Amino acid sequence: GAGVSQSPSNKVTEKGKDVELRCDPISGHTALYWYRQRLGQGLEFLIYFQGNSAPDKSGLPSDRFSAERTGESVSTLTIQRTQQEDSAVYLCASSPLPEGFGGELFFGEGSRLTVL
Amino acid sequence: AQSVSQHNHHVILSEAASLELGCNYSYGGTVNLFWYVQYPGQHLQLLLKYFSGDPLVKGIKGFEAEFIKSKFSFNLRKPSVQWSDTAEYFCAVNAGRRALTFGSGTRLQVQP
Repeated sequence: GAGVSQSPSNKVTEKGKDVELRCDPISGHTALYWYRQRLGQGLEFLIYFQGNSAPDKSGLPSDRFSAERTGESVSTLTIQRTQQEDSAVYLCASSPLPEGFGGELFFGEGSRLTVL
Repeated sequence: AQSVSQHNHHVILSEAASLELGCNYSYGGTVNLFWYVQYPGQHLQLLLKYFSGDPLVKGIKGFEAEFIKSKFSFNLRKPSVQWSDTAEYFCAVNAGRRALTFGSGTRLQVQP
């Protein structure tokens, strides 16, 4: 597709369940980011993938959060044993340039997660 | 750690009023600075960026921002806002090889 695609767009789950969020970056973009946006707050960095390098996981809030990316394609963000504080919009972005090179991030429309 | 502060959380203006949204960052080294905008129902998109060179940068839709290194600031300006500028605006900084850090956002409401 022309842009970053995320699915599902909305997810309602019960506390304690696992959820998986998917991101399809723009073709050819080597960098992929996951951010979280809680209601009324800014974007919180979670994880960054650059090509085949080891990901920067420094933003993951706990070991319940993990993410994978195969090469320069799809990424999945998994949240295990969800908690109510995990409720947020999870945003994926891709970029044609590695971080630090001033490249524009292209964002998806986000996956809104609600944990009951 | 790098951080970004946006002082105005919610701004309400009438059409044709001038706009200035504040953004300050905390990092002493070389930085790349961005403003992103999120229109209602749409995804975040780049408004403008500073990478190097002229500290006054111009973006889309008549927006501009000035990088003042001594003040660690990158304020966004527009001389005359329109109703279609109603959106949420995010300042962001990228320092060194760290991931882009965003401010908490400023919600701009322009009244016709």
